[in-house]
Amino acid sequence: EAGVTQFPSHSVIEKGQTVTLRCDPISGHDNLYWYRRVMGKEIKFLLHFVKESKQDESGMPNNRFLAERTGGTYSTLKVQPAELEDSGVYFCASSQDTRLAAVNFGSGTRLTVV
Amino acid sequence: KQEVTQIPAALSVPEGENLVLNCSFTDSAIYNLQWFRQDPGKGLTSLLLIQSSQREQTSGRLNASLDKSSGRSTLYIAASQPGDSATYLCAVRFRRETSGSRLTFGEGTQLTVNP
Repeated sequence: EAGVTQFPSHSVIEKGQTVTLRCDPISGHDNLYWYRRVMGKEIKFLLHFVKESKQDESGMPNNRFLAERTGGTYSTLKVQPAELEDSGVYFCASSQDTRLAAVNFGSGTRLTVV
Repeated sequence: KQEVTQIPAALSVPEGENLVLNCSFTDSAIYNLQWFRQDPGKGLTSLLLIQSSQREQTSGRLNASLDKSSGRSTLYIAASQPGDSATYLCAVRFRRETSGSRLTFGEGTQLTVNP
């Protein structure tokens, strides 16, 4: 079984540019999550999809971040326009059910905004 | 506020030693707790998942315990090996959240096992 895959693994962009991160969850997992780790801080929740619906987006830092999950399969996270403080590692995760199942993480996308 | 704390932040031990990593959380109303391992530049690998009704889980040389009432979990690693060197993360699913679905992470313990 393929795990959670993320693309790209690394991205370096200039301040003000747009970047789109992609996540493919484990097949059959309705729940998809985005998390972020910025330098020196703990991993923090961004948002949660159940199929194509946003269940909880209370962790999204501001309206420069837009997440989509069309058709309930893969998801994208767009940052537009990127700021320096957006640099960090963005993790995608998926799980079979909402509360009791183990959460499986991808390898992350390391985003550097210069 | 629901928080997760891990102590120590870093730990260095000689190969073969048994060790304990600690995780504490501020609210005993949880669904479960999950321990992860992260190698440098890599993603998170799930090690053990303990449901709120369980006291411990074991996988190979790893044993995780949960004491919900005191808000604590420990990860015990037996006969440590250099390959165990990594950052270990504790994450809790609290019940009293918007959806009860998010994980709240500690900052991690960076473990180094010296040959």
